[in-house]
Amino acid sequence: AAGVIQSPRHLIKEKRETATLKCYPIPRHDTVYWYQQGPGQDPQFLISFYEKMQSDKGSIPDRFSAQQFSDYHSELNMSSLELGDSALYFCASSLSSRFVGEQYFGPGTRLTVT
Amino acid sequence: QKEVEQDPGPLSVPEGAIVSLNCTYSNSAFQYFMWYRQYSRKGPELLMYTYSSGNKEDGRFTAQVDKSSKYISLFIRDSQPSDSATYLCAMSPAYSGAGSYQLTFGKGTKLSVIP
Repeated sequence: AAGVIQSPRHLIKEKRETATLKCYPIPRHDTVYWYQQGPGQDPQFLISFYEKMQSDKGSIPDRFSAQQFSDYHSELNMSSLELGDSALYFCASSLSSRFVGEQYFGPGTRLTVT
Repeated sequence: QKEVEQDPGPLSVPEGAIVSLNCTYSNSAFQYFMWYRQYSRKGPELLMYTYSSGNKEDGRFTAQVDKSSKYISLFIRDSQPSDSATYLCAMSPAYSGAGSYQLTFGKGTKLSVIP
């Protein structure tokens, strides 16, 4: 079965640079979520999109923005990167008609800011 | 105080043992309770979910929710080395009509099952 695809899997950036993370949800899934997981931390919800519209917003810094495109893939744009942005970034997708917590996670993008 | 508290462990048990993992929470709005399993360098994978109070069993796994105590548990019977992973509890409020649900996770408990 198709899973959530994230690219790139690893990314190394310097402080103050910009990064773009991409997420391709499971086909027919209409909702995409972004989470940030710091070392030894639980995943923190950043933002979600339902049917290409921003649906919910969590602890996402103003330096970050995201969108969902017509093909349902999503991109997380991160500017003015800081050392503290180094983390694993997960994308998850779900079908809104299914159970709320049935979110399918991708393998994550490991961002290292030096 | 975090909304969801979970003992990070690590927890080490012999193969075949019964494992008990727990979370407490403070937000009364939480209605859905999930357990995710996360292997090293992988994304979380949904194991089980329950709605409101009660028990749910799935093979060797049993999830319990006690809303009056704001306490949830996951029991693993006959634990196997392949169960070695980090187990995260997650919670969400009831449907809001917004089309998405943000999950609030616990910190995760790292479990090692020793052969």
